[in-house]
Amino acid sequence: DAGVIQSPRHEVTEMGQEVTLRCKPISGHDYLFWYRQTMMRGLELLIYFNNNVPIDDSGMPEDRFSAKMPNASFSTLKIQPSEPRDSAVYFCASTLQGGETQYFGPGTRLLVL
Amino acid sequence: GENVEQHPSTLSVQEGDSAVIKCTYSDSASNYFPWYKQELGKGPQLIIDIRSNVGEKKDQRIAVTLNKTAKHFSLHITETQPEDSAVYFCAASPSGYALNFGKGTSLLVTP
Repeated sequence: DAGVIQSPRHEVTEMGQEVTLRCKPISGHDYLFWYRQTMMRGLELLIYFNNNVPIDDSGMPEDRFSAKMPNASFSTLKIQPSEPRDSAVYFCASTLQGGETQYFGPGTRLLVL
Repeated sequence: GENVEQHPSTLSVQEGDSAVIKCTYSDSASNYFPWYKQELGKGPQLIIDIRSNVGEKKDQRIAVTLNKTAKHFSLHITETQPEDSAVYFCAASPSGYALNFGKGTSLLVTP
């Protein structure tokens, strides 16, 4: 298996622009997680899905952030409009129902100028 | 919500020595405690985990201990090697799914 796939790996954008991060979970996994990693705040859970349904989005920082999972093999995290403080590494992870190991993707490094 | 504190933030040991990283958590409902290792430029990877009905778990050179009464758990790495150098994160969860991570410990193993 290719593991969790994220794209793009790097994104540089200007403040105010829309940013879309993409994730393909491991085939057969029915939980998908979005995390944000910064030096100041560490690894934070933003939102997670079970069978494509959002279960807990209490970590989403504000209305500028939205996440969707239209099918079992694809999810997006969108920031609109982006701000410099959104600069971070965004990770996607997936796991199986009843499993506990979360498999992380390589991350998307976002820089908002 | 759950608050996980992790210490130390940086740790330097000589090859062959042991390394210990400690975490405390606040939510007594937490029952799942994984440890992740993150190498530079990569996503975190699970190295060991423990559930609250177990006090200690060992996997080769890595062991984790849990004191549920005191709400703290620790990672022990024995006979450290340079390839153990990485950032280590502890986490706690009441559900096994929503993980609350500590801030991380940067471990450096010098030859």
